[in-house]
Amino acid sequence: DTEVTQTPKHLVMGMTNKKSLKCEQHMGHRAMYWYKQKAKKPPELMFVYSYEKLSINESVPSRFSPECPNSSLLNLHLHALQPEDSALYLCASSRGLTGKYGNTIYFGEGSWLTVV
Amino acid sequence: AQKITQTQPGMFVQEKEAVTLDCTYDTSDQSYGLFWYKQPSSGEMIFLIYQGSYDEQNATEGRYSLNFQKARKSANLVISASQLGDSAMYFCAGPNNAGNMLTFGGGTRLMVKP
Repeated sequence: DTEVTQTPKHLVMGMTNKKSLKCEQHMGHRAMYWYKQKAKKPPELMFVYSYEKLSINESVPSRFSPECPNSSLLNLHLHALQPEDSALYLCASSRGLTGKYGNTIYFGEGSWLTVV
Repeated sequence: AQKITQTQPGMFVQEKEAVTLDCTYDTSDQSYGLFWYKQPSSGEMIFLIYQGSYDEQNATEGRYSLNFQKARKSANLVISASQLGDSAMYFCAGPNNAGNMLTFGGGTRLMVKP
């Protein structure tokens, strides 16, 4: 069982809606991530938080707004999305920033988002 | 790794047989590591195995093992005694040069035949 919990599992939203994806981990990890994954493609990094501060924003449109309220929680606020934003959104965490020292990234089960 | 390549988009294997999934990487770093993840159709990305470049022995986790060949810059995943539940996408991944994100290969879809 994954120790990274994501809610909701499935979300259908209209283009004018505001919704949020939530992620929680209790492994004491200090780095948290949001990835977006389209069908039959590898995950693409969106945001990285390190010690609750935004470390990386991979030029993500402002209709996606991340928030890290504390070291265990990571949110992704969604507003005015487009149908092409429909995808699997994966949250992940690691002890430190992944890199040359084998900090394994652990993923949640993902949130399937459909924008209509 | 600056680039991760998985050359097998899809593979079939007979149940109970072993299968090797290929992964090659390109990096100028002296110290690096490679990860393998499994993604069933449910979507969860499951960590399988990791090996660092300075590890002397090939990593093993249950039925999974890494065939790490630094001279060839390859880190192939070997799954022994395949089971129907092994049917999934498999991704090889490694840190970028800055060490602040994972770079993924394109993935291999493995299908286990009964």
